[in-house]
Amino acid sequence: GIQVEQSPPDLILQEGANSTLRCNFSDSVNNLQWFHQNPWGQLINLFYIPSGTKQNGRLSATTVATERYSLLYISSSQTTDSGVYFCAVRGGADGLTFGKGTHLIIQP
Amino acid sequence: DAGITQSPRHKVTETGTPVTLRCHQTENHRYMYWYRQDPGHGLRLIHYSYGVKDTDKGEVSDGYSVSRSKTEDFLLTLESATSSQTSVYFCAISGGSGATEAFFGQGTRLTVV
Repeated sequence: GIQVEQSPPDLILQEGANSTLRCNFSDSVNNLQWFHQNPWGQLINLFYIPSGTKQNGRLSATTVATERYSLLYISSSQTTDSGVYFCAVRGGADGLTFGKGTHLIIQP
Repeated sequence: DAGITQSPRHKVTETGTPVTLRCHQTENHRYMYWYRQDPGHGLRLIHYSYGVKDTDKGEVSDGYSVSRSKTEDFLLTLESATSSQTSVYFCAISGGSGATEAFFGQGTRLTVV
């Protein structure tokens, strides 16, 4: 099956800093999503981005499908951005394959 | 928010007992999924359904069965719970296979003692 690797595994930043999270995948995909899992365990959809670039407020994402990677950018970090960020991909008709996540801590 | 309700939200059960988790959706989506989340593993697919009475296995299906008798409900059953099935279980839905966005429920925390 498809392998998904996320980096870095852990990231600690001060409030106001910018960050880039990376997701590499091993095969062609027809679906790529970024999720934020908040401290209460809820999975929040950030982006559905199998290719191209999207922006939503302080967050943006870029997927280069031909090179099999995606990047999530967080600008002007806030403490509420803390949590785990997951990249998930799908190559066929079954479910998403998740990476192990990036654990982000934003310190005030 | 996608209309997905998981029940129960928390459950503690004893080893060897049967357990059924329910996922209910109000979006009329064709595809439904069950995942489990464990430390160090991210989320892993257990089973999925692509229509009423149509189901298939995922990456970690051993020890689990599923049923879907109505579009809106997808049940996950642990026939005889084991401590290794202690986990957080998430249900997800999507409108189609492949290139469609998936949405997740709130999760069910299951502890097997």
